[in-house]
Amino acid sequence: KAGVTQTPRYLIKTRGQQVTLSCSPISGHRSVSWYQQTPGQGLQFLFEYFSETQRNKGNFPGRFSGRQFSNSRSEMNVSTLELGDSALYLCASSVTGSGDGYTFGSGTRLTVV
Amino acid sequence: AQSVTQPDIHITVSEGASLELRCNYSYGATPYLFWYVQSPGQGLQLLLKYFSGDTLVQGIKGFEAEFKRSQSSFNLRKPSVHWSDAAEYFCASTGGAGTALIFGKGTTLSVSS
Repeated sequence: KAGVTQTPRYLIKTRGQQVTLSCSPISGHRSVSWYQQTPGQGLQFLFEYFSETQRNKGNFPGRFSGRQFSNSRSEMNVSTLELGDSALYLCASSVTGSGDGYTFGSGTRLTVV
Repeated sequence: AQSVTQPDIHITVSEGASLELRCNYSYGATPYLFWYVQSPGQGLQLLLKYFSGDTLVQGIKGFEAEFKRSQSSFNLRKPSVHWSDAAEYFCASTGGAGTALIFGKGTTLSVSS
């Protein structure tokens, strides 16, 4: 079966712009989580969506937002980009998000210049 | 607060030697525990997971992990390391539905010939 698909794979944006990243989970998976990965901070949890509702949120500023659609696809948006937002953004999907195991996509590499 | 600690940032092991990567968790109850592996530029691949029951868990690629409640540990082991095992390894935990999957900072494994 198809895995978790993240698009685009690479992005270069200018400071101050906004960006939208997309994640298509595995069919049947209703939970989608987003993570930011940087060399200094490691993997940091952004938020989790389950059945179109944000169920959990990490400690990130309000510039980071997300949503989930009825088909479980999810998008995350970062507004007013800062240089420090440069990172690998990973999406993970799970059937219920209750510990059944998360499958990760290959990520979107965002570079802010 | 829930947390995961991987004490070793970088480990070098000779090919054919045994491996143990350490992981300690902090959580009020018994969490769901996972080990993931990440190759450069890639997403995370699930190696194994523990929910309950037998405290010795077998995973893919010849890896196993042992849950020790008394030590709040979930160490990853492999009896004989191959050069292809060189990667970054992440331990993660979650309390279940509605609780975020939290990662340790990761351990980079190098394999010498």
